[in-house]
Amino acid sequence: QQPVQSPQAVILREGEDAVINCSSSKALYSVHWYRQKHGEAPIFLMILLKGGEQKGHDKISASFNEKKQQSSLYLTASQLSYSGTYFCGTEISGGYNKLIFGAGTRLAVHP
Amino acid sequence: ETGVTQTPRHLVMGMTNKKSLKCEQHLGHNAMYWYKQSAKKPLELMFVYNFKEQTENNSVPSRFSPECPNSSHLFLHLHTLQPEDSALYLCASSQGTSGGKQYFGPGTRLTVT
Repeated sequence: QQPVQSPQAVILREGEDAVINCSSSKALYSVHWYRQKHGEAPIFLMILLKGGEQKGHDKISASFNEKKQQSSLYLTASQLSYSGTYFCGTEISGGYNKLIFGAGTRLAVHP
Repeated sequence: ETGVTQTPRHLVMGMTNKKSLKCEQHLGHNAMYWYKQSAKKPLELMFVYNFKEQTENNSVPSRFSPECPNSSHLFLHLHTLQPEDSALYLCASSQGTSGGKQYFGPGTRLTVT
């Protein structure tokens, strides 16, 4: 049931863009995105609930495909502060608050 | 951020010891969680409590025993642990019964010797 994240790692120069993917073999109830910096707790980025949904803030956005089996996180014009590990968490069905996380994508942004 | 607090932050224990991890949330949430994060594996969900009732035990060995006396407090009682149980244990909380943003505590770094 663990979602598959890709790529495993990304190295960027400041200002470059990146896309992180999260896919499931089953239709999902929701997808959550979190970022974790080394030695810190994961921080919530956004939740997607509806097929075909796109949302975002600042230069970080995400989409959820119509079949609700794949989500992508878009990081545009990356900043040094974007460095960290990005996790997607997926809910198969509602009502239980059971979130299963992917293996994570390590993102390093260099000057 | 002091919404979810965890104590202790670091813990070293022998395999025959008994210890407890404590989590407290000050956000008025109804759901609380324990996750395990080790270097070799991703965030692993261990337990979920909704309105003080355990709704998920993700095949966790019985040497880990959770307790949720009220919606604000969550404990993880540890006994006869193994070295492979060394990891970062994260507590989280959220509001609602599904699709809720989870707020994580800073974690307890556990080392089993």
